[in-house]
Amino acid sequence: AQSVTQLDSHVSVSEGTPVLLRCNYSSSYSPSLFWYVQHPNKGLQLLLKYTSAATLVKGINGFEAEFKKSETSFHLTKPSAHMSDAAEYFCVVKAGAAGNKLTFGGGTRVLVKP
Amino acid sequence: ETGVTQSPTHLIKTRGQQVTLRCSSQSGHNTVSWYQQALGQGPQFIFQYYREEENGRGNFPPRFSGLQFPNYSSELNVNALELDDSALYLCASSLAAGATGETQYFGPGTRLLVL
Repeated sequence: AQSVTQLDSHVSVSEGTPVLLRCNYSSSYSPSLFWYVQHPNKGLQLLLKYTSAATLVKGINGFEAEFKKSETSFHLTKPSAHMSDAAEYFCVVKAGAAGNKLTFGGGTRVLVKP
Repeated sequence: ETGVTQSPTHLIKTRGQQVTLRCSSQSGHNTVSWYQQALGQGPQFIFQYYREEENGRGNFPPRFSGLQFPNYSSELNVNALELDDSALYLCASSLAAGATGETQYFGPGTRLLVL
């Protein structure tokens, strides 16, 4: 079985300040982990993914995430928030063995203040 | 843009009716997955099709069914619609079902409202 917990349902940051979105996962197998972003009335866009290579993963738009197996975490960060980062963010796990489905966290809504 | 398209974009149905949603996968992709996203929640896996066969199913009743065609496009059919079926339905395509690190690319979704 696999599950994802996003620890904050809402995060509010000021433009130009760092963003941290927290994610913990549970998986019976070596997981693949993803972060997707969803802007209002849009589909899901892949930000980055971890697949058992480097534990620090860089994605698009300046985002990065670090896989920590000992903490079962995959937190997403960005050094400096931009107004366009306001959106819903989903942490996603895919099990390693015959895993054909994505399991999503509940989402974190990011508000960026000018 | 991912190259995954869905139709229609919006749909209104009444309870008890049937609905068909359509998805065209990204060029070269042979796998299509469907997800239901209720308002304020993360998407939930409905099922996946790989080379025209169902390749895994989530916790959804049999009135949710699907098809995949030789060109890898797909349909999601929902019978006997219930009010709780109101949601955004997302289709995702990928190159290799179940492969480690397989990335699923999502379409814009179909928003279904059941009255």
